[in-house]
Order: sequence, then structure tokens, then C-alpha cells
Amino acid sequence: GAVVSQHPSRVICKSGTSVKIECRSLDFQATTMFWYRQFPKQSLMLMATSNEGSKATYEQGVEKDKFLINHASLTLSTLTVTSAHPEDSSFYICSARLPRVTSGGTLSTDTQYFGPGTRLTVL
Amino acid sequence: KQEVTQIPAALSVPEGENLVLNCSFTDSAIYNLQWFRQDPGKGLTSLLLIQSSQREQTSGRLNASLDKSSGRSTLYIAASQPGDSATYLCAVMFFSGTYKYIFGTGTRLKVLA
Repeated sequence: GAVVSQHPSRVICKSGTSVKIECRSLDFQATTMFWYRQFPKQSLMLMATSNEGSKATYEQGVEKDKFLINHASLTLSTLTVTSAHPEDSSFYICSARLPRVTSGGTLSTDTQYFGPGTRLTVL
Repeated sequence: KQEVTQIPAALSVPEGENLVLNCSFTDSAIYNLQWFRQDPGKGLTSLLLIQSSQREQTSGRLNASLDKSSGRSTLYIAASQPGDSATYLCAVMFFSGTYKYIFGTGTRLKVLA
């Protein structure tokens, strides 16, 4: 099956520093990737849609200058948390879209594959 | 705006019981619905994916049903085991500029030995 990786899996940083998280699709090309954050004991909240070669689309209430997204290639999207503060501590999960394709008249499923997540702790 | 709610929020049952977890969504124009499992501090494990044209999917002791018109899905777990203890999340995929998932509020399940 399709595999999505994230790096790092855990990061601890001081308040005021910036942190970059990478999301890679290992065995397929993803023109679209998504970033989610999850606070303790809460569900996943979609932050933004990352589109290869164009600007990311942010969900309402998400600060685009705070959470910089770059989708520079078909297999890599990065999320940079700028000037991190303790309230940014969270679990960040990415997903990569495997689009529908037609092969011999058969249409596959448009779905997403999720990375293992990155635990960010800001001191 | 699509909203996804799961009931109950938490559930504690003795081993061996059959369980039903509920997921409801406000906009029935969905593309698919997926059930995930999440262990504490870990990422997501996909359990079952139901396309909008399907009524149910089964995998081992798990069965998920979908009633799109009423905006509901259920996850049925047969003969529960302590290893089933985890948080269960449903997510609906719908189109809003692109196909995207909105996650439910989650059900925290504890199966007691």
C-alpha cells in the first residue's frame, strides 16, 4: 500500500524558535497533501491543503503566517511553525492524496494516506 | 459546513461484548467515509473505508455501515478484546475546493479483561 512518512517523529524546541516538519509520500506522487493538528484527547483538525507548485489553502482560523506550508515537489510538503509558543505544542499529522486514476476502464479510489505524526513540544 | 459527531465520547465494557460506535455527519454529499483507530500517542490506523455508493464493509470482527441519506455510520465490533482499547475516529471525505477529510470527535474505548 501507499506509504507516507513524517520527520521528525518528535521535536522539542524553545519558545520563539521555528520548527520544520516534513511529510513525504514514499511510493507515489501526491499533488495534494493535507496538514492536521491534534490537541490532547481531541480529534484531528484540518489546518490546510498543500498543493504542489502553488500556495496552500488554509482553513478558517488558521494563521497562514504562523504555519508556513511549502509543497515544492510531488513527494514532499513541509510545515514550518514559526516563532513557536507553548500553545503550539500539539500532534501534527499529514496526509497525501492518491488521486483517482483510470486504468483499462477501471476507476480507482480517491483517498488519502496518513503519516505517523510529529509530536511538537514547545518549552 | 460539514460537522462530524461521534457518540458515545467514551465507552468502557467488559471483554467479549459486542459494541456499536456511532458517527453522524451534517452534509450527506460525501465521497467516502473511513473509520480509524488511534492508540495513545500514535498515528492513525485505517480500519474500514466505505465509498458513498456502498452500504457496508467488513473486516474480521469489524463491520461498518453507511446510511448517507440520514447522515449516519456505525462501526460494529464483535466479541471485543482488551486489545481493541483505543480511540476510534470516523472521517468523512467531501468536496470543498478539493476532496478533504473532516474528522469526528472520537470515541475512547476501553475493554476490560
